[in-house]
Amino acid sequence: GAVVSQHPSWVICKSGTSVKIECRSLDFQATTMFWYRQFPKQSLMLMATSNEGSKATYEQGVEKDKFLINHASLTLSTLTVTSAHPEDSSFYICSAERGGEDTQYFGPGTRLTVL
Amino acid sequence: AQRVTQPEKLLSVFKGAPVELKCNYSYSGSPELFWYVQYSRQRLQLLLRHISRESIKGFTADLNKGETSFHLKKPFAQEEDSAMYYCAPHAETGANNLFFGTGTRLTVIP
Repeated sequence: GAVVSQHPSWVICKSGTSVKIECRSLDFQATTMFWYRQFPKQSLMLMATSNEGSKATYEQGVEKDKFLINHASLTLSTLTVTSAHPEDSSFYICSAERGGEDTQYFGPGTRLTVL
Repeated sequence: AQRVTQPEKLLSVFKGAPVELKCNYSYSGSPELFWYVQYSRQRLQLLLRHISRESIKGFTADLNKGETSFHLKKPFAQEEDSAMYYCAPHAETGANNLFFGTGTRLTVIP
């Protein structure tokens, strides 16, 4: 149990377009979901924390108007990269916490390439 | 796909005892691996990465290509080491799909 999926697994888009990435907890309800970004040769960087039904909490330096997060249900959170630019090219990874547990279950990641 | 597995969900050791958290990887190429730690009610933080070969908070991890392992070790566990530990692959250029370890909860018994 405790499987987290992400869709798409990879996406290539043109500069200026928006891209939506979905994160789903397949077999449990996730009270909290996290969005991370990983640049080449670097560690995971937390972008934001989202709780179902409330606004996401963004880390310092992460533009909330650029990275729109919606956590509309207990099994789905979406990250939309608006007006993407080549510097947004990265690996985006989500994780989900099951209610009452202090454990994160990670998705397989989404590789975004902006041309 | 780059996949790592952590066979132990729970691990308890006594304070002062050595601790080893196991991590195995199963992909070819040049793996780049990280250990992350999450203390209770805190966010995930990087503990160490294999290419740096440094020791953080007394923890070390060596990449063993023969055994395809990246076990995290500490010679003398402290109570403050109690936390969740995640072994994680790095997204190599051109690769998709990362499979993180499911985490090991370490409890250090006083």
